[in-house]
Amino acid sequence: QTVVTQEPSVTVSPGGTVTLTCASSTGAVTSDFYPNWFQQKPGQAPRSLIYRTSNRHSWTPARFSGFLLGGKAALTLSGVQPEDEAEYYCMLYFGSPQPWVFGGGTKLTVL
Amino acid sequence: QVHLVESGGGLVKPGGSLRLSCAASGFSVRDYYMGWIRQAPGKGLEWVSYITRDTSTIYCADSVKGRFTISRDNANNSVSLQMHSLRAEDTAVYYCVRDLAWNVDSWGLGTLVTVSS
Repeated sequence: QTVVTQEPSVTVSPGGTVTLTCASSTGAVTSDFYPNWFQQKPGQAPRSLIYRTSNRHSWTPARFSGFLLGGKAALTLSGVQPEDEAEYYCMLYFGSPQPWVFGGGTKLTVL
Repeated sequence: QVHLVESGGGLVKPGGSLRLSCAASGFSVRDYYMGWIRQAPGKGLEWVSYITRDTSTIYCADSVKGRFTISRDNANNSVSLQMHSLRAEDTAVYYCVRDLAWNVDSWGLGTLVTVSS
């Protein structure tokens, strides 16, 4: 059973910078895992932020950046805003037989 | 503008069945991988099933294999999830999503399925 691991919770000050990571139990995460990142606020559906490691959607603020770091997928938020407080999920692609696996999510608190 | 609207959720007894539907607008489901992701109350996200553009490949999570079936209706631009033998652990919000080449970009608002006696 493949496991994708994220930090359970992270706290950041308004205006600060924070990096969330996403690791695979199978080893180093590469671009072939096509990392996707999602944001979910309480009571809302998830919203897509980043696809294929580093690509922003048209609605994704420029302060969100995706990349690979030390064998993990990473999401950096620069100049954090209060409205960025949310749960963040990564998702990695493993092909057959279990194509997509989500991480457990990181609860980001802006304090 | 892309919209995905799920329907069909509700309260069902253990062992019962439900059929979820996802009406798509602003694009053609035939051009995308389409799938269902669920989220149990207070828990994380879990892929349930997806179907490829040409319907040649259908994936189902081990937890639902043999009980859930995904299908696509290109004429009505919709995707469905037929669920049988429902269990308490299937209780969740079910989201319809679209995926274009490892890019899950659009989500519906979700429909709640509650399995309880």
